[in-house]
Amino acid sequence: GDSVTQMEGPVTLSEEAFLTINCTYTATGYPSLFWYVQYPGEGLQLLLKATKADDKGSNKGFEATYRKETTSFHLEKGSVQVSDSAVYFCALSDWNSGGSNYKLTFGKGTLLTVNP
Amino acid sequence: DTGVSQDPRHKITKRGQNVTFRCDPISEHNRLYWYRQTLGQGPEFLTYFQNEAQLEKSRLLSDRFSAERPKGSFSTLEIQRTEQGDSAMYLCASSTPFKPNEQFFGPGTRLTVL
Repeated sequence: GDSVTQMEGPVTLSEEAFLTINCTYTATGYPSLFWYVQYPGEGLQLLLKATKADDKGSNKGFEATYRKETTSFHLEKGSVQVSDSAVYFCALSDWNSGGSNYKLTFGKGTLLTVNP
Repeated sequence: DTGVSQDPRHKITKRGQNVTFRCDPISEHNRLYWYRQTLGQGPEFLTYFQNEAQLEKSRLLSDRFSAERPKGSFSTLEIQRTEQGDSAMYLCASSTPFKPNEQFFGPGTRLTVL
């Protein structure tokens, strides 16, 4: 079945540091890939997505590139801020032809804490 | 766009009691999903509706769980004879027919079974 593996947390960085959160996936079809973010006390929010190989998703300074050859979708940001402190989830949606269910399969989440 | 809403936000119940949660998706979102999230884990898919039809249920959804979306708008998730293992955050998400793989999540209902 489908699965997502993301790097164990927690990750603690200083403000303006470079961020990488690794994510790899296993899927039987042609998945779309996502990063969701959960800020303290809030619901999950879609951060960025990529729907096919070599696509780059980007938002709020975060980027991730869909790498089919390595089945990866690593999240990066060049300079993190205190306000980026949150839990980050990598996810995939493996829609198979003929179906209509775009259910998401999530990784376990990575807690990021950014200190001033 | 008022977002996905869920009610209640928190529910504490005793083992063996029945509980019901409600989800109001974003207007005109025809797809609605329920997920369960336990501490330290990512959300796990429970069930999916397209309009009023429940099209898929996860094996996680035991016979004690039932979900409905009677008019294709709001949805309810009922858990009968709750067990301590049902303690979790229950998340609802919805999406449009135009971008079906972009799901918008509600704030969740946190269930604690004593």
